[in-house]
Amino acid sequence: ELKVEQNPLFLSMQEGKNYTIYCNYSTTSDRLYWYRQDPGKSLESLFVLLSNGAVKQEGRLMASLDTKARLSTLHITAAVHDLSATYFCALIQGAQKLVFGQGTRLTINP
Amino acid sequence: EAGVVQSPRYKIIEKKQPVAFWCNPISGHNTLYWYRQNLGQGPELLIRYENEEAVDDSQLPKDRFSAERLKGVDSTLKIQPAELGDSAVYLCASSDYLQGDGTEAFFGQGTRLTVV
Repeated sequence: ELKVEQNPLFLSMQEGKNYTIYCNYSTTSDRLYWYRQDPGKSLESLFVLLSNGAVKQEGRLMASLDTKARLSTLHITAAVHDLSATYFCALIQGAQKLVFGQGTRLTINP
Repeated sequence: EAGVVQSPRYKIIEKKQPVAFWCNPISGHNTLYWYRQNLGQGPELLIRYENEEAVDDSQLPKDRFSAERLKGVDSTLKIQPAELGDSAVYLCASSDYLQGDGTEAFFGQGTRLTVV
């Protein structure tokens, strides 16, 4: 059974600072997804990581994948208030089943 | 291109009453998912369809929950009777076959259910 754990679960930071969200998973999976969810809204896809060493960047967000360590990171550079949201990582288990982490609630204070 | 459409957006019902949610996936997507998201937690899969076939319903509480996907397009999720613990957001998602090329699942806005 695939287990996905994120940390921290809550993160409050100031604008302009850098921080990293971690996603650990328990069994081999060849695809990892990062989603963003704003309060009361649905999930928005941010990144799909497909292979060991994959790195993707969009604006102030950068995601990476280390399949040997079963670890993905989502790095935030020079945070701005608009990035406040809950971030989820998710992986494929077996055929087509997306398994989500608990989410990291990120609050960026001006 | 229209995204995944769900209705209603909000529903408040008394316990023991029935409730139904509707989902229209992205055109051409053969895979449809229903997830339940409790407050402050990640989504959990209830059921997954490949076309009209339910291929993974192991986490669907079958004593009170049912789902159908007629003609492999729209889907409905029903709860009867609802319990207080069913209060959650019910998310529908759809995708092409999730292959190693980065195909991804797209989510609807969800139905927020409150059982009182």
